[in-house]
Amino acid sequence: EAGVTQFPSHSVIEKGQTVTLRCDPISGHDNLYWYRRVMGKEIKFLLHFVKESKQDESGMPNNRFLAERTGGTYSTLKVQPAELEDSGVYFCASSQDVNSDRLGGYTFGSGTRLTVV
Amino acid sequence: AQSVAQPEDQVNVAEGNPLTVKCTYSVSGNPYLFWYVQYPNRGLQFLLKYITGDNLVKGSYGFEAEFNKSQTSFHLKKPSALVSDSALYFCAVRGDSWGKLQFGAGTQVVVTP
Repeated sequence: EAGVTQFPSHSVIEKGQTVTLRCDPISGHDNLYWYRRVMGKEIKFLLHFVKESKQDESGMPNNRFLAERTGGTYSTLKVQPAELEDSGVYFCASSQDVNSDRLGGYTFGSGTRLTVV
Repeated sequence: AQSVAQPEDQVNVAEGNPLTVKCTYSVSGNPYLFWYVQYPNRGLQFLLKYITGDNLVKGSYGFEAEFNKSQTSFHLKKPSALVSDSALYFCAVRGDSWGKLQFGAGTQVVVTP
């Protein structure tokens, strides 16, 4: 079974530019999550999709961030325009259902390291 | 609000010695606690969890964790560390919804030969 795939693995962009991160969850996983780790701090929740719907987007920092999940499959996270404080590692995770979540059944991708200069 | 704290940025240990990575938590209600590990250039990998039951939880790669309700701690332990255990370790607690984890800041473990 393929894992959660994220790309690019690294991205370096200038302040003010736009970047789009992509996450391909495990096939059949309805739940998809975005997290990020900024500046060596804790990993913070950004949002949660159930299929194509946003279940919880309480962690999205501001309206420069836009997440979509087309047809309930892959998801994109767009940052426009990027600011210096957006630098960090963006993780995606997927799970089959909420019960899997309860048992720690998330599968995380290897992350995208975003550097805004 | 749910939160976890990992008081050590880095833990250094010699191979073969016991390894402990500390985690304390603050939750309302029953805690659902997790440990994840991130090896270089890899995703976060689930190590173990505490939901209910025995306070000593055994997980992957020879790791275990002890849930201590009175001290609100969930320290990760391994009796004999390996160089390959060098990685970034994260403690997490279920957040205010099933779909959300609240992570600590992570502890870098360095095991020297």
